[in-house]
Amino acid sequence: KQEVTQIPAALSVPEGENLVLNCSFTDSAIYNLQWFRQDPGKGLTSLLLIQSSQREQTSGRLNASLDKSSGRSTLYIAASQPGDSATYLCAVRPSAGNNRKLIWGLGTSLAVNP
Amino acid sequence: EAEVAQSPRYKITEKSQAVAFWCDPISGHATLYWYRQILGQGPELLVQFQDESVVDDSQLPKDRFSAERLKGVDSTLKIQPAELGDSAMYLCASSRDLEGEQYFGPGTRLTVT
Repeated sequence: KQEVTQIPAALSVPEGENLVLNCSFTDSAIYNLQWFRQDPGKGLTSLLLIQSSQREQTSGRLNASLDKSSGRSTLYIAASQPGDSATYLCAVRPSAGNNRKLIWGLGTSLAVNP
Repeated sequence: EAEVAQSPRYKITEKSQAVAFWCDPISGHATLYWYRQILGQGPELLVQFQDESVVDDSQLPKDRFSAERLKGVDSTLKIQPAELGDSAMYLCASSRDLEGEQYFGPGTRLTVT
């Protein structure tokens, strides 16, 4: 059974720091992996989607990598800003089986302090 | 930029009452999802549509919840009767196809008193 873990659960950094958020999954048979951002009391915003055949995706100051063999994805945020404060969730879509719905981590709550 | 629309944004209802949520996906997106999210947890899929057909409703409490997408475009999720434990954020998402990138709406915050 696929399980997704995000560590740490919470992170606080000073403005301007480069940081890495981690997402681990137990089954390497994935179709894709998606990173989302969620502000308090709001819906989710899709940040990056990585297909299983890809190693990384970039959007602005964000870079997501995928290593299926080790069951890991990282979200790199460069030059963090207070506006980056939010909860970041990763979700994995299995590549096999009848039920291929997204499997979610619990998220990392990020606070970027001015 | 196209967005997923949801209404209402907030809903307060008394237990045993009926409540309904509406979602309009991004134009051209065949797949529509309803999720429930409790604070501090990841979203839980309640029901997934492909066009007007239900693909997965295994986690939908069918004794009180119902969902429809009659014309394969917008969708309604209903709860009747509402219970205190239904208090949560209800999120709608859509994707171009069954395996595509999911885009979420702003959500409906439901409080049952």
